[in-house]
Amino acid sequence: QQQVKQSPQSLIVQKGGIPIINCAYENTAFDYFPWYQQFPGKGPALLIAIRPDVSEKKEGRFTISFNKSAKQFSLHIMDSQPGDSATYFCAASFNSGYSTLTFGKGTMLLVSP
Amino acid sequence: DVKVTQSSRYLVKRTGEKVFLECVQDMDHENMFWYRQDPGLGLRLIYFSYDVKMKEKGDIPEGYSVSREKKERFSLILESASTNQTSMYLCATRGRNTIYFGEGSWLTVV
Repeated sequence: QQQVKQSPQSLIVQKGGIPIINCAYENTAFDYFPWYQQFPGKGPALLIAIRPDVSEKKEGRFTISFNKSAKQFSLHIMDSQPGDSATYFCAASFNSGYSTLTFGKGTMLLVSP
Repeated sequence: DVKVTQSSRYLVKRTGEKVFLECVQDMDHENMFWYRQDPGLGLRLIYFSYDVKMKEKGDIPEGYSVSREKKERFSLILESASTNQTSMYLCATRGRNTIYFGEGSWLTVV
């Protein structure tokens, strides 16, 4: 049973565009939702994370929007750059992040120059 | 900076061989993890450990075992490698509520 569903599987945008990656979860006990960014040949690295008590969190050009009633959250990348081309994973966990993470299947983003 | 080191980046092994993947962390973290990453399947948890000599099965433990004799070292063992274990393996540690990954070990079983 897939507990975190991520879409789209791949995404191509032009430089300056705003790619949006969506995730949906099933377990309402999840209370910590991080996004990881992975460049080719590297391990994933934490990009930004949100808890369900807020509806939005921004860090630089990256924004998480969270809809608790719909059990969905999304990543928006403002003014996307070619250097943002990477694979993005959403994840969810219990206990404020102190349990294991359940990952989505990933989205390959390509930002064209 | 947290450093999670996977000493073997690229390995080619034969079917039936015993394979050891080593992971070392330098932050004195108690929690360590082994994930497997496959295209279209994302990251799947194989095993994790909360403390020395302690291990818990993740979502896909079949065909794998682990060893944690020292706090800083967490090893993944494939007792008898099979071609369906060809994959990238990621070690990780947890500090506070953030998981830190190594750079991965690419294993090909022929």
